[in-house]
Amino acid sequence: DTAVSQTPKYLVTQMGNDKSIKCEQNLGHDTMYWYKQDSKKFLKIMFSYNNKELIINETVPNRFSPKSPDKAHLNLHINSLELGDSAVYFCASSHPPGRAATDTQYFGPGTRLTVL
Amino acid sequence: DAKTTQPTSMDCAEGRAANLPCNHSTISGNEYVYWYRQIHSQGPQYIIHGLKNNETNEMASLIITEDRKSSTLILPHATLRDTAVYYCIVRVAGRDDKIIFGKGTRLHILP
Repeated sequence: DTAVSQTPKYLVTQMGNDKSIKCEQNLGHDTMYWYKQDSKKFLKIMFSYNNKELIINETVPNRFSPKSPDKAHLNLHINSLELGDSAVYFCASSHPPGRAATDTQYFGPGTRLTVL
Repeated sequence: DAKTTQPTSMDCAEGRAANLPCNHSTISGNEYVYWYRQIHSQGPQYIIHGLKNNETNEMASLIITEDRKSSTLILPHATLRDTAVYYCIVRVAGRDDKIIFGKGTRLHILP
């Protein structure tokens, strides 16, 4: 009954590598998001996609590229990984911004990325 | 920046009601108050939201003051599993996609 799932749960890699994190939701939502939670536990939005179209890009380096093959998936590809990219990345989904009753965001379990 | 102010941490005895305050003195008329929580090593979990009226669901109650400048989340019978960081958020539901998280309140439920 997983609603929002992410793979992998843990990712350890060397600086300079390229890696991807996958996200899938089975809630029938049109809008998906990526958030980053750093070592100080601050959660910040990175991107949002509505029906495969980029809506929000919060001043994220070009090394981060989200890709949405369909409404149920939003993957995050990171090029040339840096030490500062180490964080927990959360995917979320919701109905499109509309009535307050329906646009609640549901989060995945997170992917802990460690860059060595 | 988050538009809310919450205590950094709180303790509550198991079985008691946990009352988590939140100040949002600059809230706009079309902004809702949302509460999320994050249990250790998990993704944030939606709890409840409201605009003006008090709200209740199976998880919690939300009490919003008449001037809407503050609110209280109430967990009626706290259990150890309620130990988490609780985030109070204001947002224009229906227009703002993003949720701006503050530092939240770390709630410890004591056995």
